[in-house]
Amino acid sequence: DADVTQTPRNRITKTGKRIMLECSQTKGHDRMYWYRQDPGLGLRLIYYSFDVKDINKGEISDGYSVSRQAQAKFSLSLESAIPNQTALYFCATSESDRGLYNEQFFGPGTRLTVL
Amino acid sequence: RKEVEQDPGPFNVPEGATVAFNCTYSNSASQSFFWYRQDCRKEPKLLMSVYSSGNEDGRFTAQLNRASQYISLLIRDSKLSDSATYLCVVNPGNTGKLIFGQGTTLQVKP
Repeated sequence: DADVTQTPRNRITKTGKRIMLECSQTKGHDRMYWYRQDPGLGLRLIYYSFDVKDINKGEISDGYSVSRQAQAKFSLSLESAIPNQTALYFCATSESDRGLYNEQFFGPGTRLTVL
Repeated sequence: RKEVEQDPGPFNVPEGATVAFNCTYSNSASQSFFWYRQDCRKEPKLLMSVYSSGNEDGRFTAQLNRASQYISLLIRDSKLSDSATYLCVVNPGNTGKLIFGQGTTLQVKP
């Protein structure tokens, strides 16, 4: 079984709809992240959480919200989806105390299309 | 200026070739550096961490030049299976956050 899972894997929705992307991990990591990837722009950080009570905005948080329901679960919501939120979304996890060389482990991604 | 810049390519090389990618970063206080590999439509995975002294893992060699603020990845004896996008990644400080370059695409041809 995959250590970091994301649901759904693909989603097509319409402008204005609310949508939630879910991420679960069995790695026991405290830190979780949400990124989006667009062609030519690389991965950009949306939100990150270092533990259940610690949630922080990344570089592109506008239009998104998150919920850290448990150590293992971190959800990303688009309250009112718009077409420029069409992208590939990745969840990632990492350990807390690995110093400077802290590897991030990624889920398989969710391909979201907003029409 | 982007925080982490890479030539997007694509780099098209024959099997057995040696190919090198460079990456520049803007924050001179950056603490640690990585190369991640991403196959088409898949998630990124760590390929190598880049240490100050340079490091090698089989056919892959990573080097860091702090004075010029660039990181390099050298792949020797390219294989078809090396075809992927290589992401240069920088940790700007001990924050737990990473900054990703847009990636360099490599296509190894028979």
